[in-house]
Amino acid sequence: KAGVTQTPRYLIKTRGQQVTLSCSPISGHRSVSWYQQTPGQGLQFLFEYFSETQRNKGNFPGRFSGRQFSNSRSEMNVSTLELGDSALYLCASSLGHRNPNTGELFFGEGSRLTVL
Amino acid sequence: GDSVTQMEGPVTLSEEAFLTINCTYTATGYPSLFWYVQYPGEGLQLLLKATKADDKGSNKGFEATYRKETTSFHLEKGSVQVSDSAVYFCALYSGGSNYKLTFGKGTLLTVNP
Repeated sequence: KAGVTQTPRYLIKTRGQQVTLSCSPISGHRSVSWYQQTPGQGLQFLFEYFSETQRNKGNFPGRFSGRQFSNSRSEMNVSTLELGDSALYLCASSLGHRNPNTGELFFGEGSRLTVL
Repeated sequence: GDSVTQMEGPVTLSEEAFLTINCTYTATGYPSLFWYVQYPGEGLQLLLKATKADDKGSNKGFEATYRKETTSFHLEKGSVQVSDSAVYFCALYSGGSNYKLTFGKGTLLTVNP
Protein backbone atom coordinates (compact mmCIF):
# COMPACT_ATOMS: atom_id res chain seq x y z
CA LYS A 1 0.00 0.00 0.00
CA ALA A 2 1.56 3.29 -1.07
CA GLY A 3 2.16 5.85 1.67
CA VAL A 4 1.46 9.55 1.74
CA THR A 5 3.24 11.30 -1.12
CA GLN A 6 4.23 14.93 -1.01
CA THR A 7 5.60 16.99 -3.86
CA PRO A 8 7.89 18.74 -4.27
CA ARG A 9 10.28 17.52 -1.60
CA TYR A 10 12.45 20.63 -1.69
CA LEU A 11 11.91 24.09 -3.03
CA ILE A 12 13.47 27.51 -2.79
CA LYS A 13 11.46 30.70 -3.21
CA THR A 14 12.05 34.38 -2.66
CA ARG A 15 10.06 36.74 -0.47
CA GLY A 16 6.79 37.84 -2.01
CA GLN A 17 6.40 34.78 -4.21
CA GLN A 18 3.75 32.15 -3.71
CA VAL A 19 4.04 28.39 -3.46
CA THR A 20 1.74 25.41 -3.91
CA LEU A 21 2.45 22.09 -2.22
CA SER A 22 0.73 18.85 -3.10
CA CYS A 23 -0.23 15.80 -1.06
CA SER A 24 -1.61 12.44 -2.16
CA PRO A 25 -3.05 10.49 0.78
CA ILE A 26 -3.08 6.77 1.35
CA SER A 27 -5.72 5.10 -0.78
CA GLY A 28 -9.03 5.03 1.08
CA HIS A 29 -8.11 7.83 3.47
CA ARG A 30 -10.50 10.74 3.22
CA SER A 31 -8.92 13.10 5.74
CA VAL A 32 -5.84 15.17 4.97
CA SER A 33 -4.12 17.41 7.50
CA TRP A 34 -1.26 19.84 7.10
CA TYR A 35 1.34 20.76 9.71
CA GLN A 36 4.19 23.24 9.70
CA GLN A 37 7.40 22.13 11.41
CA THR A 38 10.06 24.63 12.45
CA PRO A 39 12.91 24.37 14.97
CA GLY A 40 11.46 27.15 17.10
CA GLN A 41 7.74 26.39 17.09
CA GLY A 42 7.78 22.64 16.58
CA LEU A 43 4.76 21.11 14.86
CA GLN A 44 1.87 23.46 14.33
CA PHE A 45 -1.49 22.51 12.85
CA LEU A 46 -2.46 24.34 9.67
CA PHE A 47 -5.74 22.78 8.56
CA GLU A 48 -7.66 19.57 8.05
CA TYR A 49 -9.89 18.52 5.16
CA PHE A 50 -12.41 15.74 4.87
CA SER A 51 -14.41 15.06 1.70
CA GLU A 52 -13.39 18.43 0.24
CA THR A 53 -14.52 20.35 3.34
CA GLN A 54 -12.22 22.16 5.72
CA ARG A 55 -13.18 20.99 9.18
CA ASN A 56 -10.59 22.81 11.24
CA LYS A 57 -8.02 25.54 10.76
CA GLY A 58 -5.04 26.47 12.88
CA ASN A 59 -3.89 29.91 13.91
CA PHE A 60 -2.17 30.99 10.70
CA PRO A 61 -2.71 34.12 8.61
CA GLY A 62 -4.96 34.10 5.58
CA ARG A 63 -1.89 33.79 3.32
CA PHE A 64 -2.05 30.08 4.12
CA SER A 65 -4.83 28.27 2.32
CA GLY A 66 -5.66 24.80 1.20
CA ARG A 67 -8.11 22.66 -0.63
CA GLN A 68 -9.01 19.05 -1.17
CA PHE A 69 -10.15 17.45 -4.37
CA SER A 70 -12.76 14.76 -4.93
CA ASN A 71 -10.04 12.09 -5.09
CA SER A 72 -8.87 13.21 -1.60
CA ARG A 73 -5.65 14.73 -2.91
CA SER A 74 -4.89 18.03 -1.27
CA GLU A 75 -2.93 21.16 -1.99
CA MET A 76 -1.85 23.98 0.24
CA ASN A 77 -0.87 27.42 -0.94
CA VAL A 78 1.16 30.12 0.72
CA SER A 79 1.01 33.55 -0.89
CA THR A 80 3.29 36.54 -0.38
CA LEU A 81 6.01 34.43 1.16
CA GLU A 82 7.93 35.71 4.16
CA LEU A 83 11.29 34.57 5.51
CA GLY A 84 9.50 33.07 8.51
CA ASP A 85 7.58 30.70 6.25
CA SER A 86 10.72 28.63 5.78
CA ALA A 87 9.80 25.28 7.25
CA LEU A 88 9.09 21.64 6.64
CA TYR A 89 5.44 21.26 5.64
CA LEU A 90 4.04 17.87 6.53
CA CYS A 91 0.92 16.32 5.17
CA ALA A 92 -0.85 13.51 6.99
CA SER A 93 -3.79 11.35 6.06
CA SER A 94 -6.24 9.28 8.06
CA LEU A 95 -9.58 7.60 7.74
CA GLY A 96 -11.08 10.75 9.27
CA HIS A 97 -13.57 9.33 11.71
CA ARG A 98 -14.74 11.43 14.64
CA ASN A 99 -13.85 8.71 17.13
CA PRO A 100 -10.70 9.79 18.98
CA ASN A 101 -9.52 6.20 18.97
CA THR A 102 -8.83 6.61 15.30
CA GLY A 103 -6.72 9.74 15.66
CA GLU A 104 -3.71 7.96 14.17
CA LEU A 105 -2.16 9.95 11.34
CA PHE A 106 0.08 8.72 8.54
CA PHE A 107 2.64 11.32 7.55
CA GLY A 108 4.44 12.02 4.31
CA GLU A 109 8.12 12.92 4.22
CA GLY A 110 7.35 16.59 3.89
CA SER A 111 8.09 19.48 1.58
CA ARG A 112 10.99 21.59 2.74
CA LEU A 113 10.46 25.22 1.79
CA THR A 114 13.26 27.75 1.98
CA VAL A 115 12.37 31.40 1.53
CA LEU A 116 15.25 33.73 0.62
CA GLY B 1 -7.12 24.27 25.12
CA ASP B 2 -5.16 21.10 24.59
CA SER B 3 -1.44 21.14 25.28
CA VAL B 4 1.45 18.69 25.56
CA THR B 5 4.64 19.27 27.50
CA GLN B 6 7.63 17.02 27.01
CA MET B 7 11.25 17.20 28.06
CA GLU B 8 13.00 18.90 25.17
CA GLY B 9 16.45 17.44 25.50
CA PRO B 10 18.60 16.84 23.69
CA VAL B 11 19.16 13.48 25.30
CA THR B 12 22.42 11.63 24.70
CA LEU B 13 22.81 8.03 25.83
CA SER B 14 25.18 5.18 25.34
CA GLU B 15 23.98 2.02 23.63
CA GLU B 16 22.05 -0.31 25.97
CA ALA B 17 21.21 2.50 28.40
CA PHE B 18 17.70 2.99 29.80
CA LEU B 19 15.59 5.70 28.21
CA THR B 20 12.81 7.81 29.71
CA ILE B 21 11.24 10.79 27.96
CA ASN B 22 8.65 12.55 30.08
CA CYS B 23 5.35 13.76 28.64
CA THR B 24 2.43 15.41 30.40
CA TYR B 25 -0.73 16.76 28.85
CA THR B 26 -3.72 19.03 29.37
CA ALA B 27 -6.92 18.20 27.56
CA THR B 28 -10.67 18.25 27.91
CA GLY B 29 -12.37 14.91 28.05
CA TYR B 30 -10.52 11.68 27.47
CA PRO B 31 -7.95 12.06 24.73
CA SER B 32 -6.00 9.38 22.91
CA LEU B 33 -2.26 9.64 23.42
CA PHE B 34 0.52 8.93 20.96
CA TRP B 35 4.27 8.82 20.57
CA TYR B 36 5.54 9.60 17.08
CA VAL B 37 9.14 9.28 15.92
CA GLN B 38 10.94 11.21 13.21
CA TYR B 39 14.15 9.78 11.80
CA PRO B 40 16.56 12.15 10.04
CA GLY B 41 15.21 13.41 6.75
CA GLU B 42 11.86 11.66 7.12
CA GLY B 43 8.32 12.43 8.15
CA LEU B 44 6.75 11.30 11.38
CA GLN B 45 5.67 7.75 12.00
CA LEU B 46 3.55 6.36 14.78
CA LEU B 47 5.56 4.55 17.42
CA LEU B 48 2.81 3.60 19.86
CA LYS B 49 -0.56 4.75 21.16
CA ALA B 50 -2.99 4.38 24.06
CA THR B 51 -6.65 5.25 23.90
CA LYS B 52 -7.83 5.06 27.51
CA ALA B 53 -6.59 5.32 31.06
CA ASP B 54 -4.16 2.60 32.19
CA ASP B 55 -3.64 1.38 28.62
CA LYS B 56 -0.04 0.52 27.81
CA GLY B 57 1.17 1.10 24.29
CA SER B 58 4.23 -0.80 23.13
CA ASN B 59 6.27 -1.23 19.97
CA LYS B 60 9.91 -2.03 19.08
CA GLY B 61 10.80 -2.30 22.78
CA PHE B 62 9.32 1.09 23.63
CA GLU B 63 6.48 1.39 26.14
CA ALA B 64 4.25 4.13 27.53
CA THR B 65 1.35 3.94 29.98
CA TYR B 66 -1.62 6.31 29.92
CA ARG B 67 -1.80 7.73 33.46
CA LYS B 68 -4.96 9.78 33.85
CA GLU B 69 -4.31 10.63 37.51
CA THR B 70 -0.99 12.29 36.66
CA THR B 71 -1.96 13.26 33.08
CA SER B 72 1.22 11.64 31.83
CA PHE B 73 2.39 9.34 29.05
CA HIS B 74 6.10 8.84 29.60
CA LEU B 75 8.09 6.93 26.97
CA GLU B 76 10.51 4.23 28.15
CA LYS B 77 12.88 1.71 26.64
CA GLY B 78 15.05 -0.64 28.59
CA SER B 79 18.01 -0.81 26.23
CA VAL B 80 18.43 1.73 23.45
CA GLN B 81 20.27 1.12 20.20
CA VAL B 82 22.12 3.46 17.87
CA SER B 83 19.26 3.02 15.41
CA ASP B 84 16.88 4.61 17.94
CA SER B 85 18.52 7.99 17.37
CA ALA B 86 15.68 10.25 16.25
CA VAL B 87 13.30 12.96 17.42
CA TYR B 88 10.40 11.73 19.55
CA PHE B 89 7.09 13.59 19.76
CA CYS B 90 4.35 13.10 22.30
CA ALA B 91 0.89 13.97 20.99
CA LEU B 92 -2.76 13.89 21.93
CA TYR B 93 -6.00 13.69 19.99
CA SER B 94 -9.15 14.78 21.74
CA GLY B 95 -11.53 14.10 18.85
CA GLY B 96 -14.93 15.72 18.67
CA SER B 97 -14.87 18.54 16.13
CA ASN B 98 -11.14 19.09 16.68
CA TYR B 99 -9.66 16.89 13.95
CA LYS B 100 -6.07 17.66 14.88
CA LEU B 101 -3.16 16.25 16.83
CA THR B 102 -1.57 18.49 19.43
CA PHE B 103 2.17 17.83 19.65
CA GLY B 104 4.87 18.42 22.19
CA LYS B 105 8.03 20.23 21.07
CA GLY B 106 9.91 17.01 20.45
CA THR B 107 12.94 15.40 22.10
CA LEU B 108 16.11 14.70 20.15
CA LEU B 109 17.66 11.40 21.20
CA THR B 110 21.21 10.53 20.21
CA VAL B 111 22.53 7.08 21.04
CA ASN B 112 26.28 6.58 20.87
CA PRO B 113 27.91 3.17 20.30
